[in-house]
Amino acid sequence: AQTVTQSQPEMSVQEAETVTLSCTYDTSESDYYLFWYKQPPSRQMILVIRQEAYKQQNATENRFSVNFQKAAKSFSLKISDSQLGDAAMYFCAYNLPYSGAGSYQLTFGKGTKLSVIP
Amino acid sequence: EAGVTQFPSHSVIEKGQTVTLRCDPISGHDNLYWYRRVMGKEIKFLLHFVKESKQDESGMPNNRFLAERTGGTYSTLKVQPAELEDSGVYFCASSLSVGGGLNTEAFFGQGTRLTVV
Repeated sequence: AQTVTQSQPEMSVQEAETVTLSCTYDTSESDYYLFWYKQPPSRQMILVIRQEAYKQQNATENRFSVNFQKAAKSFSLKISDSQLGDAAMYFCAYNLPYSGAGSYQLTFGKGTKLSVIP
Repeated sequence: EAGVTQFPSHSVIEKGQTVTLRCDPISGHDNLYWYRRVMGKEIKFLLHFVKESKQDESGMPNNRFLAERTGGTYSTLKVQPAELEDSGVYFCASSLSVGGGLNTEAFFGQGTRLTVV
């Protein structure tokens, strides 16, 4: 079974600084997707960034970028120029691109609570 | 365009009572998912509907949980009778397609916080 581990329950960053959230995963598959979701307090969870495992190039979305290390099964999220609105729970997640028993489900980590200090 | 909406946002019930959670997916999204997060733990998959059919219900914890999606539109998740360990946040998500590629993004609702006392 696939597992996703986020080893940092909480982190904080000074506004305008850079922070990196860690995520490792365990899978025997070679083709899969990885995601970072953000859930601000009392708001909906939204997709921040997605990475296809077959792509070597790290995904980037504006101030958000990932460091995808397939061999190490590591998928960290870097937030540059942190803003107050980045304060949220961040969840790392994984899924498979093909059908099979339970394979369309997202597998999540426990989350990292990010605080942004003004 | 309206996002995924869930009702109620909070529910506090006594052990042994029944609670029904509702999820309205984004219009046109055939795929609807239920997830649950127990405090301090991972968000866990419960089940996946494709239209009105249950594609995968491998995550349903036991037969006290009943999910329906009549007509392939909104979905309900009923817990009967509720137990203390059912407390948590129940998330609903919907997607146009499946698999992780284009058009497969799962859009989440705000969640329903269920507290069983």
